[in-house]
Amino acid sequence: RKEVEQDPGPFNVPEGATVAFNCTYSNSASQSFFWYRQDCRKEPKLLMSVYSSGNEDGRFTAQLNRASQYISLLIRDSKLSDSATYLCVLSRGGGYQKVTFGTGTKLQVIP
Amino acid sequence: NAGVTQTPKFRVLKTGQSMTLLCAQDMNHEYMYWYRQDPGMGLRLIHYSVGEGTTAKGEVPDGYNVSRLKKQNFLLGLESAAPSQTSVYFCASSDLGGGNYNEQFFGPGTRLTVL
Repeated sequence: RKEVEQDPGPFNVPEGATVAFNCTYSNSASQSFFWYRQDCRKEPKLLMSVYSSGNEDGRFTAQLNRASQYISLLIRDSKLSDSATYLCVLSRGGGYQKVTFGTGTKLQVIP
Repeated sequence: NAGVTQTPKFRVLKTGQSMTLLCAQDMNHEYMYWYRQDPGMGLRLIHYSVGEGTTAKGEVPDGYNVSRLKKQNFLLGLESAAPSQTSVYFCASSDLGGGNYNEQFFGPGTRLTVL
């Protein structure tokens, strides 16, 4: 089983829609969780961290469910500019950065 | 600040040729990383460095060597390129990691094709 699994998509949604992605992980020792965004042919950039209590950043909401070992990203009122691939990232800490990147979920927002 | 820069942006090699990819960061970060990204595989760590003069192997180090002679630079070498090394290579840097995660800042990538 892969350490991090994401639905590759693509998720094709109309502008203004709400869309949600999940990411499951297998290593219960994972300590920290993040969502990165990667535009086509560009580098990944941190979108937001994911906290156990859930957190929001504008139209984006991230949640962590440790019992079921998944994290989620909810995007409300989708914009064309949200079209990108969203990477789930987890860190196991440990003195150096043991970081695992998911393969990403592609989102296409349609006019 | 330029952040993380990579040279070259594109390169085509023939099997058996060698090359060096250069990564530079101006954020005074201690940690630097080299990843490769292939379709369906996600980012995989090749080598990393926790400070000037130190390097360590990541998940897929075979066929690559690295050096960190200066804090701001991290070089990735391919001694004898193989078609399996066709990929997009990303360099990243971050502040001191310790037991906690710190945001990794990525360079724009190098697209390498080995024929």
